[in-house]
Amino acid sequence: KAGVTQTPRYLIKTRGQQVTLSCSPISGHRSVSWYQQTPGQGLQFLFEYFSETQRNKGNFPGRFSGRQFSNSRSEMNVSTLELGDSALYLCASSLKNGAVSYEQYFGPGTRLTVT
Amino acid sequence: AQSVTQLDSQVPVFEEAPVELRCNYSSSVSVYLFWYVQYPNQGLQLLLKYLSGSTLVKGINGFEAEFNKSQTSFHLRKPSVHISDTAEYFCAVGKANSGGSNYKLTFGKGTLLTVNP
Repeated sequence: KAGVTQTPRYLIKTRGQQVTLSCSPISGHRSVSWYQQTPGQGLQFLFEYFSETQRNKGNFPGRFSGRQFSNSRSEMNVSTLELGDSALYLCASSLKNGAVSYEQYFGPGTRLTVT
Repeated sequence: AQSVTQLDSQVPVFEEAPVELRCNYSSSVSVYLFWYVQYPNQGLQLLLKYLSGSTLVKGINGFEAEFNKSQTSFHLRKPSVHISDTAEYFCAVGKANSGGSNYKLTFGKGTLLTVNP
């Protein structure tokens, strides 16, 4: 079974621009969560989507948004990029098919550099 | 809100030596506990998990962890490490609401394990 895939793997943007990152979960997984990883703050939860609905949200400004499609693929968008948005963005999927599934499986991440 | 403390940011050890990576959490309710490993330029890989049952859990690559409810700890151990175990290790705590519609993983800051020859 293919794992979680994220595209692109690397991205360089300039301040003020916006960016869209994509995540395809493991086949059959309906829950997708996003995390930001930086050396200073570690891994921080951004949001979780299940059945095209945002179920949970972390403490990030409104510039960070996401969505999930009917095939469970998810995108996250960051508008008006700031230097501090440079990070590894990780996507994780879990089964969550009627019952809670506690295990999350991570993709390789998208390395975003803002200059 | 739960928090996760990984007591050591870096742990250097020699090859074939035993290692313990420490993790403590704070939560007054039932939680689910995980250890993940991250190799350079990669995502996180699940090493092992504690959901319920036996407090000693075994994972991949020879790692094991013990859940201690009274000490709110979930320390990771390996009796003999290899050079290839050099990576960053993250402890995580998962908590769900009663309906299961809201579930969140909280991660520790990570422990960099460096195995030297």
